[in-house]
Amino acid sequence: GAGVSQSPSNKVTEKGKDVELRCDPISGHTALYWYRQSLGQGLEFLIYFQGNSAPDKSGLPSDRFSAERTGGSVSTLTIQRTQQEDSAVYLCASSLLGVTDTQYFGPGTRLTVL
Amino acid sequence: AQSVTQLDSQVPVFEEAPVELRCNYSSSVSVYLFWYVQYPNQGLQLLLKYLSGSTLVKGINGFEAEFNKSQTSFHLRKPSVHISDTAEYFCAVSNSGGSNYKLTFGKGTLLTVNP
Repeated sequence: GAGVSQSPSNKVTEKGKDVELRCDPISGHTALYWYRQSLGQGLEFLIYFQGNSAPDKSGLPSDRFSAERTGGSVSTLTIQRTQQEDSAVYLCASSLLGVTDTQYFGPGTRLTVL
Repeated sequence: AQSVTQLDSQVPVFEEAPVELRCNYSSSVSVYLFWYVQYPNQGLQLLLKYLSGSTLVKGINGFEAEFNKSQTSFHLRKPSVHISDTAEYFCAVSNSGGSNYKLTFGKGTLLTVNP
């Protein structure tokens, strides 16, 4: 079956603009995760969804970042008023139930803020 | 809070040589441990994981890792590497109890296999 897909694959935006990044998890996976991969910080956990609920938003870097998940499926990560330090690869992963289940990662969205 | 230290940022080896990628973690609670691989221009893929039971864990592509609780280590090994093993390898840890959804990753080790 299809793996985790993310769109767009690349996004170039100007500082101050808002961006939306989309993640389509594997069908039937209830858990969904967002991570950020950057040269300076490595791989950072951002947020976790179980179904449509996000019990822990503490990994989001600032209040400019938000995420939602609808229908227990698609998730959107929104970054408002982008800054240059937001430039990174944003990775989405899904797993069947929780972290003990294998997390399957998408190819990522490379965000460049000019 | 947890942390993961991958002691080597780069490991060059020759084809068919053995390799060990080192990973140490810090945590005040019991943990789950993972190794992921990222091939050039591809997403992350799970190599193996330790949840409980036998401390020697076998994964895909001939890799294995041993959980050593006293040394808080989870080193990754392969007895004979191939050119195709060239990739970046990430060690990760999560709590085995509450908030176990949060993976903390190391900075990664770039394994380069030379002919």
